[in-house]
Amino acid sequence: DAGITQSPRHKVTETGTPVTLRCHQTENHRYMYWYRQDPGHGLRLIHYSYGVKDTDKGEVSDGYSVSRSKTEDFLLTLESATSSQTSVYFCAISDSTSGGPTAFGPGTRLLVL
Amino acid sequence: DQQVKQNSPSLSVQEGRISILNCDYTNSMFDYFLWYKKYPAEGPTFLISISSIKDKNEDGRFTVFLNKSAKHLSLHIVPSQPGDSAVYFCAASLINSGGSNYKLTFGKGTLLTVNP
Repeated sequence: DAGITQSPRHKVTETGTPVTLRCHQTENHRYMYWYRQDPGHGLRLIHYSYGVKDTDKGEVSDGYSVSRSKTEDFLLTLESATSSQTSVYFCAISDSTSGGPTAFGPGTRLLVL
Repeated sequence: DQQVKQNSPSLSVQEGRISILNCDYTNSMFDYFLWYKKYPAEGPTFLISISSIKDKNEDGRFTVFLNKSAKHLSLHIVPSQPGDSAVYFCAASLINSGGSNYKLTFGKGTLLTVNP
């Protein structure tokens, strides 16, 4: 299995609380992504990174920020969690040869009450 | 605007037969197309990709066909096995002007069930 982990795997939080999810990879891949998966929507890109300190927005970036200070770590922060951010969050990584992510993390289930 | 569509929410096939999963897209500028499978409570697993300049790519039991004029691609699994039962996502990516970054747009998935 590709070396990609996410923490925490499950989290319950309250509306208005900041939340940070962590993605860690051991593959030394340049690209890292955060997706959310919701019923009826499939997987939607939140933010992605194309290098250390280089990030860009995806299609559902409102209310989220990211940071990448090291190649191996990509953090997703919900600045003030809302119930609409209850979802399953997946981190993904890729090199530049396949046109997209080639490995996904196991996911983080987030419940915002 | 759903740029990548998987119109069949589910597909059931017999073990040993061919599974054909379909995907349509609207943006002719997509550079790559990818297929992933996903088991419940796990992250997606990358299966195979194809560049927009090709019309076929094969990897073991998996073959992806791309018909650019019809804006259609399909994933063939031969022979199908019970362990292939999962949700299959089609995705398409755009490479930016710098030639390095790409954003992926996913379809909503097709649930494949392979019956023993």
